[in-house]
Amino acid sequence: EDQVTQSPEALRLQEGESSSLNCSYTVSGLRGLFWYRQDPGKGPEFLFTLYSAGEEKEKERLKATLTKKESFLHITAPKPEDSATYLCAVQVDTQGGSEKLVFGKGTKLTVNP
Amino acid sequence: DSGVTQTPKHLITATGQRVTLRCSPRSGDLSVYWYQQSLDQGLQFLIQYYNGEERAKGNILERFSAQQFPDLHSELNLSSLELGDSALYFCASSTRHVYGYTFGSGTRLTVV
Repeated sequence: EDQVTQSPEALRLQEGESSSLNCSYTVSGLRGLFWYRQDPGKGPEFLFTLYSAGEEKEKERLKATLTKKESFLHITAPKPEDSATYLCAVQVDTQGGSEKLVFGKGTKLTVNP
Repeated sequence: DSGVTQTPKHLITATGQRVTLRCSPRSGDLSVYWYQQSLDQGLQFLIQYYNGEERAKGNILERFSAQQFPDLHSELNLSSLELGDSALYFCASSTRHVYGYTFGSGTRLTVV
């Protein structure tokens, strides 16, 4: 069964204190790994897609990396507006020849000023 | 605005009732995915439609059904509602061969 595990469940940082979020996965066939940001009561907002081990992508204070078994979302010098839940998802094949996203439960990040 | 429109934003209904949630995908996207998000389970895949045809099923209860219409909008029908069906329901759309999924802002369903 395809599984995605995110850690930690919650993380509190001071403004400017860099850290990393982890996403480990067990899937039969990885087509891609996605990172999303979700604010309370809103839909997930796309951040990155990674396709192969060793790939890295950056956007402002965020950097995502991918290995064969896990992905990291590095947050450099975070600001209070970075507070949100960060979701990791793997794209896997379905029996009907299509694909779907399997999500982890997310890491709730709080950045204090 | 993500381009994916979901209505209504909020819905409060009683146990045993039936509701319909609506999703209009981003312009040009042929695939629609439905997800349920509850506090303890995270985002769970329910069902996918591609250009009017069902393509994949996830953890969707028999009391739930969906369809995609010729104009590509989709509806998720939930019947014989139970308290445990209270959750956020999200729709996402994508374009085949372009691996991106855009989510709507969701429908918050409360069953009382």
